Amino acid sequence: GAGVSQTPSNKVTEKGKYVELRCDPISGHTALYWYRQSLGQGPEFLIYFQGTGAADDSGLPNDRFFAVRPEGSVSTLKIQRTERGDSAVYLCASSSPSGTYNEQFFGPGTRLTVL
Amino acid sequence: DAKTTQPTSMDCAEGRAANLPCNHSTISGNEYVYWYRQIHSQGPQYIIHGLKNNETNEMASLIITEDRKSSTLILPHATLRDTAVYYCIVRFTQGGSEKLVFGKGTKLTVNP
Repeated sequence: GAGVSQTPSNKVTEKGKYVELRCDPISGHTALYWYRQSLGQGPEFLIYFQGTGAADDSGLPNDRFFAVRPEGSVSTLKIQRTERGDSAVYLCASSSPSGTYNEQFFGPGTRLTVL
Repeated sequence: DAKTTQPTSMDCAEGRAANLPCNHSTISGNEYVYWYRQIHSQGPQYIIHGLKNNETNEMASLIITEDRKSSTLILPHATLRDTAVYYCIVRFTQGGSEKLVFGKGTKLTVNP
C-alpha cells in the first residue's frame, strides 16, 4: 500500500517568505508527527497530532511555525517569515495507536532551503 | 526519555554480522528500547524494539542486558544495503503515540 508522502520534495525560498509543506499520512493512521533534520543530526521532534488536534506541540521552535490537520488526515506545516536557519529536511511520520508496535512510518521528507 | 550513547561510526564486512552497541544507563523500568535506521536521503525506518527480553524479527536481533543499561542490535548477515545511520531510542510507551527523541546515531558502513 501507499506510504507516507510529502510534497514538495524540495523547496527553495528567500528569507522572509512564507512556505507550506504538505504531508499525506498512511490511510487510517490517526497519529501524525512532524520532525526537522539538520545536516549531520538526528531528526528533531516538532509537533504531534492525534486526529485533528495537536496533542504535543512542544517542539515547535517559535511562533513562526504552525501546523494544521483540519480533517484528521493531511497535514500542512506552515513557516512564516522564513530564516536561513530554517533550512533543513522536514520529515513527516504517521502511526496507528492501535498497532502493536507503535511503529512510526516516515515519509521521504521535504528539503527546505532558505536563501 | 532516557539518554542514549552510541558510537559515531562503525564498519562491517559484507556477509558478516554487524553488532551495534547502545548505552542507556538511566533507562527506567517502563521504558522500551527502539531501533530505527535511516538510509541516505530517506526517512527513518523502524527495525525492532524490546523491553527486557531479547527480540528477533526478519530484520535484526536485539539483545538487552539483564540490568537493561545497554543493548546491542545485531544484523546477522550485513549487506551493502544495510549501510545507514542507526538510532537507538528509549521511550516509555509502547502502545501510545509519543514522539521519538533521536540522538546522532551510529553511521554503519558495510564494505564489500
